[in-house]
Order: sequence, then C-alpha cells, then structure tokens
Amino acid sequence: AQTVTQSQPEMSVQEAETVTLSCTYDTSESDYYLFWYKQPPSRQMILVIRQEAYKQQNATENRFSVNFQKAAKSFSLKISDSQLGDAAMYFCAYVDNDMRFGAGTRLTVKP
Amino acid sequence: DAMVIQNPRYQVTQFGKPVTLSCSQTLNHNVMYWYQQKSSQAPKLLFHYYDKDFNNEADTPDNFQSRRPNTSFCFLDIRSPGLGDAAMYLCATSSNYRGWKSYTFGSGTRLTVV
Repeated sequence: AQTVTQSQPEMSVQEAETVTLSCTYDTSESDYYLFWYKQPPSRQMILVIRQEAYKQQNATENRFSVNFQKAAKSFSLKISDSQLGDAAMYFCAYVDNDMRFGAGTRLTVKP
Repeated sequence: DAMVIQNPRYQVTQFGKPVTLSCSQTLNHNVMYWYQQKSSQAPKLLFHYYDKDFNNEADTPDNFQSRRPNTSFCFLDIRSPGLGDAAMYLCATSSNYRGWKSYTFGSGTRLTVV
C-alpha cells in the first residue's frame, strides 16, 4: 500500500521568512498526483498546490512552490514570505486510486 | 457558487444512539467520499461511491454505513456510536474516478459522543 511520510510534526517560521515542509511517499506506480492541503483550526481542507507526476516542472502558486523529485519520491512545499495567516496544519497527500494523507505538519508563524 | 455542503456543522449524539451525517453537492460530481479525521491525525478514507457503486475500505468498521440516494446527496450512518467515533467527518467529491483535478472537500461535521 502506498504510504506518505511527513517527518516534521511541527515547524516554526518567522513572518516574512521562508519555510520548507517535507514529504516523502512510497509507490510503485508511475502515474499519480500529489497535493498539499492546508487545514486551519476550522478544519476546512484547503487545497494549496497540486502536482501531476508526469510533469517534470515544479508547480507554483503565488508564494507556494514545490520541489518534486520523482526518483527520490519526495514532494516538499516551500512557503515564501510567510504570513500569519499561513499558520495551520499542512497535509501532504498522494493519489492514484484514492487519496492518502501524511500525518501532517503543524506550522506556526511568529510575528 | 458550486460547492460541497455538510450538515450539520456540529453534531452531538448519545453513546449508542444512531446518527446520520449529511453531504450534498452542487458540482454534479459522480464520485463522493467520506473521511474520518480524529484530533491531530490525518483524514482516513472510510468509503466512497462511484456513481451508485459503493466501495468500502477494508478496515472501516461495520458500525459505519453509507447511502447515496441520488447524485447530489450522500449520507453517513453510524449505527451505534461509541466514544471512539468522536471525530471530524469530511465529505469530498470528484468529477470522475481518479478525477483529482476536481477534488473538493466540504467543511466537515464535528461529531461529539456523550
């Protein structure tokens, strides 16, 4: 079964600084998707960024970008110019037939 | 706006008393999913419907059932809630099996068992 590992239970960043959240996954598939979701205290799952495995170019959404290393099965999220509103739980998710989540990383942003 | 709506937002039920959670969608997506998320844990897939075809995860307890009377609605029934079933329940939809570009979550229902 596919597994998703987020090795950082908690991370902290200073406002306006950059932080990188790690994610690795295990799969024998070649066609899949990877996601990062943000979950604030309201528990709403908010899509941050998505990467198709067949695309070599790293996805970017404004201040959010990923470093997708397919051979290494690594999918890290970089948040630039961190804002107080970025504080939340972040989940990495792997998808082929259904969506599997990592354990999450709690991000704190210090003013 | 097209969306996935879960009702109620908060649900309190008594130990052992059947409870039903509701999910509706205006996206016309043909796949609907139910996840259970306990505090400080990742969401865990319980089951999904692909059109009318029901797919149960192997480790989903028998205490959990689901109904999908039409494309727009899907229900999660917990026959005899225990204290361990207290969690956030998330509904999600997608436009096709493996339609991951369209994957959309509802706001969730937080279930408390007393």
